[in-house]
Amino acid sequence: DAGITQSPRHKVTETGTPVTLRCHQTENHRYMYWYRQDPGHGLRLIHYSYGVKDTDKGEVSDGYSVSRSKTEDFLLTLESATSSQTSVYFCATRTPSTDTQYFGPGTRLTVL
Amino acid sequence: TQLLEQSPQFLSIQEGENLTVYCNSSSVFSSLQWYRQEPGEGPVLLVTVVTGGEVKKLKRLTFQFGDARKDSSLHITAAQPGDTGLYLCARSGNTGKLIFGQGTTLQVKP
Repeated sequence: DAGITQSPRHKVTETGTPVTLRCHQTENHRYMYWYRQDPGHGLRLIHYSYGVKDTDKGEVSDGYSVSRSKTEDFLLTLESATSSQTSVYFCATRTPSTDTQYFGPGTRLTVL
Repeated sequence: TQLLEQSPQFLSIQEGENLTVYCNSSSVFSSLQWYRQEPGEGPVLLVTVVTGGEVKKLKRLTFQFGDARKDSSLHITAAQPGDTGLYLCARSGNTGKLIFGQGTTLQVKP
């Protein structure tokens, strides 16, 4: 358990609105990740961070941006939400010394 | 993207039965992880296998890494309702990024 919280846990929004999801960790882990989970696709990496202000794209980054201004917080922003972004979003953290990732409880996002 | 193929995608069995879940790739990978996810929660790591031919046991769960390091299996003996969940295999990429299989949904009926 890496003390990961995600907020909000559930959100319903309309197409075209901006949405920001927050991931907060208490273990001072250097690496942080955002995944989305959809039926039949497992988890797919959206963006990741390897330090404060250091981020990079993952497999499905189009339509998403991230920011990390301090170690404990990693924000995922949908600039203009679309129905295809309806999904469950998971944040994860990792320390440099291991491949183990610790996941948060997820945020269920519905875009109408 | 080097894909991981999991099979079966769905499995519904009675309590006490045995089952095996497979994770296959066309590429060699250096290590493979198995995660378990319960409804409404994030995945939790069960095990990491690193060496070709390696076998690891976690109570009634047996994990095997293929000799050629292209495949892995998870075998559950005498399944119980508490084993119900989504089982995911994943391989590490650069900077610790994980590439997941599609997952196997297991339902164990009492």
